[in-house]
Amino acid sequence: DAGVTQSPTHLIKTRGQQVTLRCSPKSGHDTVSWYQQALGQGPQFIFQYYEEEERQRGNFPDRFSGHQFPNYSSELNVNALLLGDSALYLCASSSPPGLEETQYFGPGTRLLVL
Amino acid sequence: SQQGEEDPQALSIQEGENATMNCSYKTSINNLQWYRQNSGRGLVHLILIRSNEREKHSGRLRVTLDTSKKSSSLLITASRAADTASYFCASGRGNTPLVFGKGTRLSVIA
Repeated sequence: DAGVTQSPTHLIKTRGQQVTLRCSPKSGHDTVSWYQQALGQGPQFIFQYYEEEERQRGNFPDRFSGHQFPNYSSELNVNALLLGDSALYLCASSSPPGLEETQYFGPGTRLLVL
Repeated sequence: SQQGEEDPQALSIQEGENATMNCSYKTSINNLQWYRQNSGRGLVHLILIRSNEREKHSGRLRVTLDTSKKSSSLLITASRAADTASYFCASGRGNTPLVFGKGTRLSVIA
């Protein structure tokens, strides 16, 4: 049973560019959440997708957008990259509401913006 | 802003000793979860304690929850060098976003 997978593992971009990160949830999970973790900080919630719709959003600008596909996998897109977007981006999956409450995390994508 | 706060921010102990980390949160919760993170990689789920539970054990881990004080503690007994990592608490309500603190960096010296 594969856990949460993310790709790529590392990425280097320059300011102003756009980036797409990908996540496949754990088998049986249909909800995907994305978090940003700056160096030395705890993860910060970006948004959550369920039934292919953005259900909840944290305090992040519109440059951050996402998508969920029918197979529950998800993408995180960041436009007009800033130096401050350099961080570890984590994807977490969870089961339908009312079932298990644990969120399982992938290994993350480390983004460096130069 | 982050809701949870772990204490201490860093902890260094000898192998075989016990490590205790504390966590405080601000709003009402359904559950509190503890995660471990090795060297900036993904978060590994350790244990979940529900708001109606006061104590929970899993192997060498013991978690307590005091909802009246909005605090939790994680005890790792008989620590090993492999326990060296950052530990985060995260408060949650069902499928809502987890709210993390800044974590406690634990160093276990062999």
